[in-house]
Amino acid sequence: GAVVSQHPSRVICKSGTSVKIECRSLDFQATTMFWYRQFPKKSLMLMATSNEGSKATYEQGVEKDKFLINHASLTLSTLTVTSAHPEDSSFYICSAPGLAISDTQYFGPGTRLTVL
Amino acid sequence: GQQLNQSPQSMFIQEGEDVSMNCTSSSIFNTWLWYKQDPGEGPVLLIALYKAGELTSNGRLTAQFGITRKDSFLNISASIPSDVGIYFCAGRKAAGNKLTFGGGTRVLVKP
Repeated sequence: GAVVSQHPSRVICKSGTSVKIECRSLDFQATTMFWYRQFPKKSLMLMATSNEGSKATYEQGVEKDKFLINHASLTLSTLTVTSAHPEDSSFYICSAPGLAISDTQYFGPGTRLTVL
Repeated sequence: GQQLNQSPQSMFIQEGEDVSMNCTSSSIFNTWLWYKQDPGEGPVLLIALYKAGELTSNGRLTAQFGITRKDSFLNISASIPSDVGIYFCAGRKAAGNKLTFGGGTRVLVKP
């Protein structure tokens, strides 16, 4: 099946620094990717839809300037958490849909961000 | 954002027991998906349902797409210890579109 990778898998940073998380589709092209945030023991909450070659679409309540998304190619989307604070600590997961009608969404393994 | 109503929120299983969980929605979805998530990992797809009324099996897992397109259930038969984890339902309105997730069902082993 299709594979989505994320890097890094785990990152610890100091408050005020910026952190970049990469999401790659390894064996298929993705014009759209999705970024989710997950708090402990909670469900996945969609943050934004990343669109190749155009601006990302953010969900209500998600700060665009805080969570910068860049979808520079058909296989790579990046999420940058700018000026991170402890409340940004979370599990961030990306996904990419297949293009065929019967395809589904493939999730990356997630990135655990801890802001000190 | 919108979430699907998934129940139960948690359940304890004993090896060999059957497990059932379901999701309901106030709106129609064209695809229902069931995922399992282990701690510290991303969700892994278990079953995908594309047609109303469809009943699909994957090993010990069986899922159905409700006839009204507003609900789905997942059954796990003869549970084993590795079935422990969090199960999520997700609905999608069209191919490529974003998913709406249920709150999850946490499956735990009876002490």
